[in-house]
Amino acid sequence: DGGITQSPKYLFRKEGQNVTLSCEQNLNHDAMYWYRQDPGQGLRLIYYSQIVNDFQKGDIAEGYSVSREKKESFPLTVTSAQKNPTAFYLCASSSVPPGPYSNQPQHFGDGTRLSIL
Amino acid sequence: DAKTTQPPSMDCAEGRAANLPCNHSTISGNEYVYWYRQIHSQGPQYIIHGLKNNETNEMASLIITEDRKSSTLILPHATLRDTAVYYCIVRANTGFQKLVFGTGTRLLVSP
Repeated sequence: DGGITQSPKYLFRKEGQNVTLSCEQNLNHDAMYWYRQDPGQGLRLIYYSQIVNDFQKGDIAEGYSVSREKKESFPLTVTSAQKNPTAFYLCASSSVPPGPYSNQPQHFGDGTRLSIL
Repeated sequence: DAKTTQPPSMDCAEGRAANLPCNHSTISGNEYVYWYRQIHSQGPQYIIHGLKNNETNEMASLIITEDRKSSTLILPHATLRDTAVYYCIVRANTGFQKLVFGTGTRLLVSP
């Protein structure tokens, strides 16, 4: 079935360590996104990519990095510079129809829960 | 993006219709209304979206008022598995537009 796969489901990070969260989609979507969700709060955008080899910072990009070398993959690295990394991380994707107008919904994976040891 | 207002929580009996309201009084002409839901510890699930006409799919119906300042998501026969947080989001359809999730409505479906 088509969908978005995030791995691992749970991840633990030691102080000063970088960790990478995986996101793979087989929906043939051009655009991919990373969000962070803290308990009881809405989602906040970290990074997004509308096409391979291109990505832009979202609202809370500090302490994070991404790459988009393949259409189906958009890994997120949580660096040691991110001082409060404990959160639920969600990856999403959407199609990007030609032209300036797009009402395509985003589809989400099941998330990775990151905790600090 | 326009702000939305939703009640923090609602209850519904299993088998009955769940009607979830959303106010978006500052919505502009090029903004769509989207509904997502999030079951505990899972990613948000897209439900439905619309511009000004009512919409229906296999999951739900979306009723948008004529002035577009409010909308209602209808789950026609709620089940226990519909217990989730429901988010109403308005987003323009031009260029890149991020999703802005508020705190949503926590729907509890009871037997």
